[in-house]
Order: sequence, then C-alpha cells, then structure tokens
Amino acid sequence: DGGITQSPKYLFRKEGQNVTLSCEQNLNHDAMYWYRQDPGQGLRLIYYSQIVNDFQKGDIAEGYSVSREKKESFPLTVTSAQKNPTAFYLCASKGGQFYNEQFFGPGTRLTVL
Amino acid sequence: AQKITQTQPGMFVQEKEAVTLDCTYDTSDPSYGLFWYKQPSSGEMIFLIYQGSYDQQNATEGRYSLNFQKARKSANLVISASQLGDSAMYFCAMREDTNAGKSTFGDGTTLTVKP
Repeated sequence: DGGITQSPKYLFRKEGQNVTLSCEQNLNHDAMYWYRQDPGQGLRLIYYSQIVNDFQKGDIAEGYSVSREKKESFPLTVTSAQKNPTAFYLCASKGGQFYNEQFFGPGTRLTVL
Repeated sequence: AQKITQTQPGMFVQEKEAVTLDCTYDTSDPSYGLFWYKQPSSGEMIFLIYQGSYDQQNATEGRYSLNFQKARKSANLVISASQLGDSAMYFCAMREDTNAGKSTFGDGTTLTVKP
C-alpha cells in the first residue's frame, strides 16, 4: 500500500535534547512538508522540500532542521533551540503539478518533559 | 492579516441534516486552490475536496460540496446528510500558486453530530 509513515507515534524527550522525527513516503512524490499543530489550532509550516537535496524554510523554521537526501525520506530534527517543542507534528507529500492535494502521515506527538 | 479565516470554532448538527462550515480567504494571487481536510480525534488529516480558482463549477465529492463564491472570497464546505462519523475537526486551506505551492491552513471548526 502506498502512503506516508511517521515514527514514532508518541515521543518523549527531556528538555535540551535534540530529537529526530522520521517521515517516509512510497508515493514517488517530489514535494514533502513538515507542519506543527498546537492544541485547538491549525497547521503551521515548518520546512518544505520540492526536490531531493533542496529545502526551504516555512513560517516557523527557527529551532528546527531538515534534510532531503532521498526522495522517500524527509526527517525533521527538533533542536534544543526550539523554545516550545511540545506539539503534534505532521508530515505531508504532494505529487507533481497536476496533483492538488497533500497526503498526510499519521503524525508524531512530541512531549518535552 | 489572516489568509484563511474560519469563524466557527464549534458547530453542532443533528444526524441526517446538512451543515455548512464557513471559510473566507485573502489572496492577491489570481491562481490558487482551496482545500478542505477532516481531522478526527486520531489526528490524521483526511483530504475531502478541492476547488481551483479558475474552476467554473462548484466542486462536489459524494456528500461534500464546496460553495465557492470568488467575489466574496469564500469557500464554504457543505456536508449533506450528516453522520455520526462526521464528528471531527475541519480545516480549510489555500495554496497560492506563486508561493511555491505552500498551503496556509485556518484554525479549524470542530463539528459535532448529535444522534
């Protein structure tokens, strides 16, 4: 089955530690995105990548980093510089210019203790 | 200014009745797309319906239809014959085609379907 996987579903970390969230897709999509969602709010774009080895900052990139070494993978690192990292993180991908919607993974809920 | 505005934080509807969820948007880009997503309590985002800015007719997908009023910059979602499984958070989103395909999301509307 084609789709997007995110792991783990729940993640707990101590304050000051970096943590990497995984996102893998087998849809052969070029574009991938990372969003953050806080309780009762919409999605905010952290980073996006339109092709391999290229990515751009979104609206709230500070304290986060990404890489795109393979088409299928777009990991997100939440660094210790992110002041309030506890949130729900969603990864998405999108096909080429003739496709409209983004397909989302199941999300990772990160809690920093 | 907010690009996507959803003015209804919460809505209630009786099972089998229709409900309209409001969405207004703000853009100066002549080419854009509007989306609705459903987010159940599990957290996954489910794509429901898409409307392109140049589409002449309102989009429909099964029980979902999008009431697109371009001059008023509104893209309301209509759900007909509500079901208990429709209870979820609903997000309106916009993609501006000159903005690298990035999407902006509204703050969502929580819909509760009552039996």
